[in-house]
Amino acid sequence: AQSVTQLDSHVSVSEGTPVLLRCNYSSSYSPSLFWYVQHPNKGLQLLLKYTSAATLVKGINGFEAEFKKSETSFHLTKPSAHMSDAAEYFCVVRNFNDYKLSFGAGTTVTVRA
Amino acid sequence: NAGVTQTPKFQVLKTGQSMTLQCAQDMNHEYMSWYRQDPGMGLRLIHYSVGAGITDQGEVPNGYNVSRSTTEDFPLRLLSAAPSQTSVYFCASRASGGGSSNQPQHFGDGTRLSIL
Repeated sequence: AQSVTQLDSHVSVSEGTPVLLRCNYSSSYSPSLFWYVQHPNKGLQLLLKYTSAATLVKGINGFEAEFKKSETSFHLTKPSAHMSDAAEYFCVVRNFNDYKLSFGAGTTVTVRA
Repeated sequence: NAGVTQTPKFQVLKTGQSMTLQCAQDMNHEYMSWYRQDPGMGLRLIHYSVGAGITDQGEVPNGYNVSRSTTEDFPLRLLSAAPSQTSVYFCASRASGGGSSNQPQHFGDGTRLSIL
């Protein structure tokens, strides 16, 4: 079985400061890991994905995430938050050759001017 | 490039009514799925399909039916709506092949459903 735990339900940052969203996972097999962003009243948009290549993954809009197998973590970071980053973020895991995704509960990010 | 299109965007039903949520994708994706999103619970898989004519249950299938007669369409039916089915419903699709587990999901904008 696979599961995802997002350690923070809500993160608040000031514009221009770093953002850290924490995600731990459990997986029986080599996982694929994803981060999605959801803006209000919208569907989910892929930010980045880890697929057993480089452990540091760069995504869109300046986000990146680092896969740490020893810590079973896949934390998402951005060096400088922008107002447009205010959204909900989901960490997602899929086992190798398994169709089903497991979603974390989500982290809501607010950005203060 | 439409991607994944869901209709309607909003719907209010009375308990016991039935309805169909429509989902269509124009990317020739084999895999399609339905999720419901509830506060603090992320997205939970309702049903999925790995190709036309093939469907299977996800994590929370009770009260929902699906069919997949074409590659493009994957409708979700509520047989007898209940207040517990008030939620936001997302349809998603993804390509197969090329290391299919690495292919990302493409999501529609959602259907917001309220059951009174």
